Amino acid sequence: GAVVSQHPSRVICKSGTSVKIECRSLDFQATTMFWYRQFPKQSLMLMATSNEGSKATYEQGVEKDKFLINHASLTLSTLTVTSAHPEDSSFYICSALRDSSGANVLTFGAGSRLTVL
Amino acid sequence: GQNIDQPTEMTATEGAIVQINCTYQTSGFNGLFWYQQHAGEAPTFLSYNVLDGLEEKGRFSSFLSRSKGYSYLLLKELQMKDSASYLCAVRDIAAGNKLTFGGGTRVLVKP
Repeated sequence: GAVVSQHPSRVICKSGTSVKIECRSLDFQATTMFWYRQFPKQSLMLMATSNEGSKATYEQGVEKDKFLINHASLTLSTLTVTSAHPEDSSFYICSALRDSSGANVLTFGAGSRLTVL
Repeated sequence: GQNIDQPTEMTATEGAIVQINCTYQTSGFNGLFWYQQHAGEAPTFLSYNVLDGLEEKGRFSSFLSRSKGYSYLLLKELQMKDSASYLCAVRDIAAGNKLTFGGGTRVLVKP
């Protein structure tokens, strides 16, 4: 089945530093990937849509200069949290679209738990 | 915008049946998904409905009524490992076919 690999799974960083999270589709090509953020006991909130070869589309309220997204190839999208602050501590999950009998099912990575000290 | 509502928590006994309801409002409905998410892990796909009716997949079934903006996920023969959050998500053409998630329903299975 479709596999999406996300790395790192956990990261702790100091306030003011930047953190990069990678999302790879391992056995399929994904022209579109999505980045979600999830706070404890809450649902997934879409941050942005990552498009291969073009600029990402950000959801309202998400700062594009703070959450840099790069989708340089059909199998890799990266999210960089710049100048991280404690309020950026969250669970970040990427996903990729894979066609499954026309359903276009989203396959999720394992998530990256970011803790900003 | 979209409103997706589902109960926050449900408790059931091992071996029993639980039904998780989801209501939604959307202008360009293009499919409803159910995902299971264990604590600290990523969601995993359970089911997909785009036409009215019941989709059965082993112990899990999902139902959709587009006219009522309503779906449910039915979990039969509950097992302890079914304790998780269940997320209802709707795809909307008017929103560029993006998937919007409900708040999730935490199901606790007790022995």
